[in-house]
Amino acid sequence: EVQLVESGGGLVQPGGSLRLSCAASGFTFSRYWMSWVRQAPGKGLEWVANIKEDGSEKYYVDSVKGRFTISRDNAKNSLYLQMNSLRAEDTAVYYCALSITIFDYWGQGTLVTVSS
Amino acid sequence: QSVLTQPPSASGTPGQRVTISCSGSSSNIGSQYVYWYQQLPGTAPKLLIYRNNQRPSGVPDRFSGSKSGTSASLAISGLRSEDEADYYCAAWDDSLSAVVFGGGTKLTVL
Repeated sequence: EVQLVESGGGLVQPGGSLRLSCAASGFTFSRYWMSWVRQAPGKGLEWVANIKEDGSEKYYVDSVKGRFTISRDNAKNSLYLQMNSLRAEDTAVYYCALSITIFDYWGQGTLVTVSS
Repeated sequence: QSVLTQPPSASGTPGQRVTISCSGSSSNIGSQYVYWYQQLPGTAPKLLIYRNNQRPSGVPDRFSGSKSGTSASLAISGLRSEDEADYYCAAWDDSLSAVVFGGGTKLTVL
């Protein structure tokens, strides 16, 4: 059974940094693209970033380019999202997703709140 | 403002058939696969339809997807109370080099 468990969310001040993690199990992690998708409170879904199986290709939504970095450790079956220079508009639940097609399986999400 | 356009709400009574539309452009729906997600209240989204009209294992055949030109639709037949949820369409956009979502449709079962 595919399981994706996010962690690392919390309250951070504007301009601060946070690192999200996603622990994957139930599938061969190193064989698939992985993604981060976020959802602001009461709002819709927004794709944030994705990363190729071996980490050699990474893509980002324009609003986070230069501030967020997606990475993975295939030995640890883990996905990460390093978020720097955080803004109020980054406040959202961040979901880790297994991308066999686009977003086939989702974690339960971790809440990031950017506020002073 | 979302790149893909969905009606904000839809409704139906138990047993009815409802459809949810998703409108895009030639750079997304017109040239790429469409995906549909169901988000029950307080939970993570779940893949409902992939590659326009394919159902993942475990998704009832009451749910079906279709695409024509730059628009797509999700149909739910035999509506049930547990179908009350938010539904999102998504597609890759060649111009933006990004996955784009619709704004979501809140389905109410009356």
